[in-house]
Amino acid sequence: AQSVTQPDIHITVSEGASLELRCNYSYGATPYLFWYVQSPGQGLQLLLKYFSGDTLVQGIKGFEAEFKRSQSSFNLRKPSVHWSDAAEYFCAVVSGNTPLVFGKGTRLSVIA
Amino acid sequence: DGGITQSPKYLFRKEGQNVTLSCEQNLNHDAMYWYRQDPGQGLRLIYYSQIVNDFQKGDIAEGYSVSREKKESFPLTVTSAQKNPTAFYLCASSIVLNQPQHFGDGTRLSIL
Repeated sequence: AQSVTQPDIHITVSEGASLELRCNYSYGATPYLFWYVQSPGQGLQLLLKYFSGDTLVQGIKGFEAEFKRSQSSFNLRKPSVHWSDAAEYFCAVVSGNTPLVFGKGTRLSVIA
Repeated sequence: DGGITQSPKYLFRKEGQNVTLSCEQNLNHDAMYWYRQDPGQGLRLIYYSQIVNDFQKGDIAEGYSVSREKKESFPLTVTSAQKNPTAFYLCASSIVLNQPQHFGDGTRLSIL
């Protein structure tokens, strides 16, 4: 069955430090891949997406993600975290004409 | 601006009552979705619709019903058969099924 795993439930980083959030998927074919961010009490906002081509994808708010086929991963990165990045982050995957499948999310806390 | 409007933001229901959550989009998207979000559970798909007058059950459809009479609207009814309806409900839309979804700001449903 298709699945998406975000191994880290909660991550805490210091402001200005780098960030990497992990996402692994289990699909037969190369899927479309997405990262979303959710602030408390709000809907989800799309950060970036990968369909094909360059495996390093740039998104909004200074985020990027790298698709690694050999590792079935699509990790989200940011070189320097700001306090406003504290939120919940969701990886999503889709293959074929089906709805997106979302991971369970990683909550990011930022400390001074 | 185009977007998705969910109303109301907060909703309270008495035991045994049905309640309907509204979702309207002006993005001209064909596909629409309803998700339920509980702490630590990520997003769970309740129902989705690819086109007007058609919808499919998601992973947790029991106790819920939907209609899609207009392209812009996809209301969700939480019936009295749903034993644990307290949750945050998110509506989303996309051009077609496997494209990025745009989300509303959610409705928080609580039982009195």
